[in-house]
Amino acid sequence: QLHLQESGPGLVKPSETLSLTCTVSGDSLTTNTHYWAWIRQPPGRGLEWLGSMYFSGTSYYNPSLKSRLAISIDTSTNQFSLRLSSVTAADTAVYFCARWKPYDGRIFDMWGQGTMVTVSS
Amino acid sequence: QSVLTQPPSVSGTPVQRVVISCSGSSSNIGSNTVNWYQQFPGTAPKLLTHTNNQRASGVPDRFSASKSGTSASLAINGLQSEDEAHYYCATWDDTLNGQLFGGGTKLTVL
Repeated sequence: QLHLQESGPGLVKPSETLSLTCTVSGDSLTTNTHYWAWIRQPPGRGLEWLGSMYFSGTSYYNPSLKSRLAISIDTSTNQFSLRLSSVTAADTAVYFCARWKPYDGRIFDMWGQGTMVTVSS
Repeated sequence: QSVLTQPPSVSGTPVQRVVISCSGSSSNIGSNTVNWYQQFPGTAPKLLTHTNNQRASGVPDRFSASKSGTSASLAINGLQSEDEAHYYCATWDDTLNGQLFGGGTKLTVL
């Protein structure tokens, strides 16, 4: 059974880099029809897609965040990661990792439970 | 403010039918398929419908989705108290070359 679990610091200082990891079990990050994605949700607000990556390195990023965002995949540990630099209070949100199927309706069919990240000094 | 426009809230009584709309443009809904997600407080979103009108596995047939032109909608027939949640439409945008979510609609069952 597929399971995704986010992990990382719950508190990040302004101007620093937010780093999160998603550990995937029950599926391989190298499955050829799957991308791996990050989505966030500020408190009391809606969902915002951050980016999606294929294990080969092909990626799509939200244009509004592209200059600060990097997603990477480690196939040896079956984990993928998010790095968001120069954070501000506006980056405070619950961060979800998810599996994205671009060839199957472009659906996010499986999600992690989410992890809350607060940007504050 | 999201590129995909949803009403912030809708409400209905048990057994009633409600419809949640999602309005976009030619670069997103007009040229790509639409998916809907259901989210309960404190939990991750769950795929509800996909490819415009297909229910995800295990979703009751009370839920139905459709798309016409640059708009999409999610209908819930025979409302139940457990349907009270937030609902989000989602699609790809060819101009942004990225995924979009609607602003979300809170469904209240009175």
